[in-house]
Amino acid sequence: AQSVSQHNHHVILSEAASLELGCNYSYGGTVNLFWYVQYPGQHLQLLLKYFSGDPLVKGIKGFEAEFIKSKFSFNLRKPSVQWSDTAEYFCAVTGDTNAGKSTFGDGTTLTVKP
Amino acid sequence: NAGVTQTPKFRVLKTGQSMTLLCAQDMNHEYMYWYRQDPGMGLRLIHYSVGEGTTAKGEVPDGYNVSRLKKQNFLLGLESAAPSQTSVYFCASSYGASLATEQYFGPGTRLTVT
Repeated sequence: AQSVSQHNHHVILSEAASLELGCNYSYGGTVNLFWYVQYPGQHLQLLLKYFSGDPLVKGIKGFEAEFIKSKFSFNLRKPSVQWSDTAEYFCAVTGDTNAGKSTFGDGTTLTVKP
Repeated sequence: NAGVTQTPKFRVLKTGQSMTLLCAQDMNHEYMYWYRQDPGMGLRLIHYSVGEGTTAKGEVPDGYNVSRLKKQNFLLGLESAAPSQTSVYFCASSYGASLATEQYFGPGTRLTVT
């Protein structure tokens, strides 16, 4: 079975601070990894994804994530956050034997103070 | 393209009442999913479908039924609503079982059961 753990439940930062949100997964086979973002009152949308190749992937709005296979991690980073990044962030994993089903982490709420 | 749409957006039910949530997608996606989102618990998969006429149970299927009579529609039914089913329900769709495919989410339905 696949599982996802997000270490930070709530992160509070000031504008221009750097961000790193932790995500670890548990699965023995090939995986795809995703970060989704949910802005207040909106639906989830894809921020970035990893499926093969360069382990450092870049997404929208200056976000990036690095897949470290040996650590089963896929941490999300942004060098300088903005107030508009206030949202909930979800890490998700899809394993190669799970028929396209993703398992989501519990989410991290990011609050950016202006 | 409208993407993934959900109706209704809000609903209040009394315990024991029934209702159906409708999800529609216009992207010709094979896979469709129903999730519930509760505070601090991320997204939990209720049921999913890998194609027209097929459905399968997810992580938390009890108390819910689904149907996929048409490829573009995925219905979620509550036969006898309970307060524990108070939640935000999200529908999602994806191209298929390929690892690289992300999910596209609808705007959600906020359901309150009193």
